[in-house]
Amino acid sequence: DTGVSQDPRHKITKRGQNVTFRCDPISEHNRLYWYRQTLGQGPEFLTYFQNEAQLEKSRLLSDRFSAERPKGSFSTLEIQRTEQGDSAMYLCASSLTGRVNSPLHFGNGTRLTVT
Amino acid sequence: DAKTTQPPSMDCAEGRAANLPCNHSTISGNEYVYWYRQIHSQGPQYIIHGLKNNETNEMASLIITEDRKSSTLILPHATLRDTAVYYCIVRVDSEGGGSNYKLTFGKGTLLTVNP
Repeated sequence: DTGVSQDPRHKITKRGQNVTFRCDPISEHNRLYWYRQTLGQGPEFLTYFQNEAQLEKSRLLSDRFSAERPKGSFSTLEIQRTEQGDSAMYLCASSLTGRVNSPLHFGNGTRLTVT
Repeated sequence: DAKTTQPPSMDCAEGRAANLPCNHSTISGNEYVYWYRQIHSQGPQYIIHGLKNNETNEMASLIITEDRKSSTLILPHATLRDTAVYYCIVRVDSEGGGSNYKLTFGKGTLLTVNP
């Protein structure tokens, strides 16, 4: 499977704990996006990387959230001091520059449950 | 990005064509119409996109009205596996600003294909 891979698929944690998710984009894709999706809603944009540079962050990305893409390949999203409101599906997507109209390709997400 | 309006739900009989409407009356001249779908517990899947001409691929056809204020996604022979939430999104496509590549999702249309 050469699609976008996310790990883990499911994570249950207690309030106040830190969690980290990983995303492996399609290998030649240099743009990487994180989205969050709550029940009954469409995905909401969190942040975006081009190579290793984080170029945009949504206001949804509070200071408890941090995303990295250190070598321009895989990315991690960390949530510190989790709250129940952080329970959601976290989606990663990637796309390719230099190609007009390159669509975003999404992974199957990490479902976070904060108890 | 321009907002879109979609019906919250639709039903379709298996084997029949599914026609999913989308209104985007404030679309700008350089904004494309994209369609994605999301099957339960999976990430969004790219279907098709277009600017002003009708488009067809192996998954679907996209019909855009001449004034570009609305479009219809057509699944010619719907199957049970096409049951999903379908998102219509408009966005600028540019090689300039990376943030133009992000997608802004609404709530979409839940298409239920019935046997």
